[in-house]
Amino acid sequence: QKEVEQNSGPLSVPEGAIASLNCTYSDRGSQSFFWYRQYSGKSPELIMFIYSNGDKEDGRFTAQLNKASQYVSLLIRDSQPSDSATYLCAVRDDKLIFGTGTRLQVFP
Amino acid sequence: DTAVSQTPKYLVTQMGNDKSIKCEQNLGHDTMYWYKQDSKKFLKIMFSYNNKELIINETVPNRFSPKSPDKAHLNLHINSLELGDSAVYFCASRGDLSDEQYFGPGTRLTVT
Repeated sequence: QKEVEQNSGPLSVPEGAIASLNCTYSDRGSQSFFWYRQYSGKSPELIMFIYSNGDKEDGRFTAQLNKASQYVSLLIRDSQPSDSATYLCAVRDDKLIFGTGTRLQVFP
Repeated sequence: DTAVSQTPKYLVTQMGNDKSIKCEQNLGHDTMYWYKQDSKKFLKIMFSYNNKELIINETVPNRFSPKSPDKAHLNLHINSLELGDSAVYFCASRGDLSDEQYFGPGTRLTVT
């Protein structure tokens, strides 16, 4: 059974800080990794994807992938209250396998 | 201009009933999905269709039957509803040349 694990949180950070969200996966052959954001009562929306080891930056978001450690993370710089949401890590083989999500709370 | 739409948004029904959820996408995508998100927010794939053909069928009770009349529509029919079917059901679609899945707004199903 392929698994994707995340700490459910909540992760609480002050406004302006860096939020660090982590995810581990069980299938060493996985090649594609995704971060989705889901606001309460809304549908998931893709914010980042990463395929290669290392960092990928998009605005305030940085995805980091370490395939040797089977670890993918999402950093949110200058966190804003509007970033408060659940962040879902997903790994794709023939389908997306989601983690249970980490709830992020950014307080003013 | 909704990309992926679902109807209804809310569905409250009694155990034993049969209900359907409809999904439509206007993105021209070939692949569509049904996901179930339970009360703990765990999002799990149920079915995937590519150009009207079933390609993924997870371990889902056969009370759930997807139907794709054309590649823009993927409906989900549920027979003999049970309390454990209460969840939010999301439809999603993806283009063949992209990894990004676009999710519909979800249908919150409550079985009483």
